[in-house]
Amino acid sequence: NAGVTQTPKFRVLKTGQSMTLLCAQDMNHEYMYWYRQDPGMGLRLIHYSVGEGTTAKGEVPDGYNVSRLKKQNFLLGLESAAPSQTSVYFCASSSAWDSSTYEQYFGPGTRLTVT
Amino acid sequence: DQQVKQNSPSLSVQEGRISILNCDYTNSMFDYFLWYKKYPAEGPTFLISISSIKDKNEDGRFTVFLNKSAKHLSLHIVPSQPGDSAVYFCAARGVLRVGNEKLTFGTGTRLTIIP
Repeated sequence: NAGVTQTPKFRVLKTGQSMTLLCAQDMNHEYMYWYRQDPGMGLRLIHYSVGEGTTAKGEVPDGYNVSRLKKQNFLLGLESAAPSQTSVYFCASSSAWDSSTYEQYFGPGTRLTVT
Repeated sequence: DQQVKQNSPSLSVQEGRISILNCDYTNSMFDYFLWYKKYPAEGPTFLISISSIKDKNEDGRFTVFLNKSAKHLSLHIVPSQPGDSAVYFCAARGVLRVGNEKLTFGTGTRLTIIP
């Protein structure tokens, strides 16, 4: 049981390049999320999904796209990377049915640098 | 507009003493509050939570207090141990409609336990 995994762990991009971050969870969770963490800003929600084939915008969606073709996977895409997207990206998942804590389970993060 | 605020970026506490981390919120529609702990190079992990209908929840060394009238919650760690050194995030759950449950995170407090 790996929980939430993220690929890759580190990446350096040049401005204008594109890339896709992959998130996978093996807990059969309905909900999945992408956050970015910047110094002094906490965790900010980029996009989220409440089920396979559905996505929705979060707090800071500009410059990112997402897809949830399979329940266990949630992809975050950067079509044309900008230095402002230098950040640590976290994926998370949660159960739609667990109302005891509403806990979200986080992956280990991807550190992205755009030069 | 920061709806969840952690006004202390850092806190140092002697080992064995009590650590108190504070969090303020502005949205009275939040119905659940969570604390997450984050070590460097790892994703946040869930620590403890509290429903808005309660004023206290305890789990071992960790206790969360909620003061709804003041829109304030605090996390108490007693006794503090060196392994508690980490960044602590406060998070609040807001429900706009079914399928739109989201967590709003504070900016985090770095706790350092001094041996």
